[in-house]
Parts: sequence; C-alpha cells; structure tokens
Amino acid sequence: EVQLVESGGGLVQPGRSLRLSCVASGFIFDDYAMHWVRQAPGKGLEWVSGINWNSGTFGYADSVKGRFTVSRDNAKNSLYLQMNSLRAEDTALYYCVKDPGWFGEFYYFDSWGQGTLVTVSS
Amino acid sequence: DIQMTQSPSSLSASVGDRVTITCRASQSIRSSLNWYQQQAGKAPKVLIYAASSLQSGVPSRFSGSGSGTDFTLTISSLQPEDFATYYCQQSYSNPRTFGGGTKVEIK
Repeated sequence: EVQLVESGGGLVQPGRSLRLSCVASGFIFDDYAMHWVRQAPGKGLEWVSGINWNSGTFGYADSVKGRFTVSRDNAKNSLYLQMNSLRAEDTALYYCVKDPGWFGEFYYFDSWGQGTLVTVSS
Repeated sequence: DIQMTQSPSSLSASVGDRVTITCRASQSIRSSLNWYQQQAGKAPKVLIYAASSLQSGVPSRFSGSGSGTDFTLTISSLQPEDFATYYCQQSYSNPRTFGGGTKVEIK
C-alpha cells in the first residue's frame, strides 16, 4: 500500500523559511515523479511543484517560482520542499503526491498524503 | 498558463440522479485531463485520467469524456458517498492547473 507522510509544517512569520518533508513507502520511490499540491483553507487545489524520478526535470507554479525549491533523496525515499520568503498567501495544507507517469516523468496524481499545514502569520 | 474553468461551481442532486460536470480549457490539451474527488476533510482521490480512463478501483458509475478544450465528468447514478467536491486538472503542460471545483450537495 502506498503511504506518503508529510511533516515540517507549522506557524512561521512572513519572510521566513520552512522545509517540508515527505517520506514514501509501499512503492519503488525512484521509479516515479513526485509533486507538491496545496490547498488554502476553504479553497481549491493548486499545484506547487513537481520533480521527475532522477531530479532532471522540475516544474513550479508561477506563484512560488524563485522562492520554493523541490528536491528528492531517492536513497531515503524522501521528497522535500524548501520554502523561502514565505507570504501570508502561502498559508495552506501541503500535500505530497505521487505521479504514476511512465519512466518516472510527469503524468497525473494517483496517490496523496494527508498533508501538512503551513500557516504564515505574524 | 492554461486556465481550467469548471461549471457549475455547485449543484444539488438526489441519490440516484445522473450528474454531469463540465470543464473547459483555455487552449487545446488533447486528452490530458484528469478528474479528482475530494470528500470533506480528506485528501483528493483520482477518478479519471487521460479524459476517459477509469482509475483502478473507482466505481463504473463514474465516466469521463471529451478532448481538445471541452470535457465532462458524469456520475450515472449518484450515491451517498459521492457528495463531495470534484476538480478537473490538465496534465498537458507545466504549470499543472486545476479547475475551481464543483461541489455536489444533497438536495
């Protein structure tokens, strides 16, 4: 069974940094692309970032480009999101998401974690 | 960026009803369209990928159709567990984008 467990969320002041982590199990992690998707309270879904199986391909939403960096450590079955220069509008539940795409490239989102909540406020 | 527009934003329906939700892309995305269901307080779950392919384990009352810019999700006979919010999402290009969601409520 696929399991994705996020951690690292919390309350942070505007302008500060936070690093989210996701530990994966139940599948061969380095065979698949991974993503971060967020959901602000009471709002819809927003794709934040994605990374292919070997960290050769990245993608970012315009709203986070230049501030957030996605990375992965296949030896640790882990996905990360480094979030810098945080803003109030980054407040959201951040989901770690697995992509079933062929050859570890981007396709769609087939398994989701339960999310970790990031609150940006002074 | 490709904009995804869903309609309606909400609807009320009864158990057993046939429900149709539409999604329009701002440019052609071929068949690169996926549908997700999010029940209250839970993570989203994929229902349909590549416009019309049913994800493993998803009941056959869910179906998807369309290509290019116009797509539909149909629930043939609404069940109590189907009251949820539904999102379309394009996987044609980065940045991946979602529609605004359609909340299906009990009439």
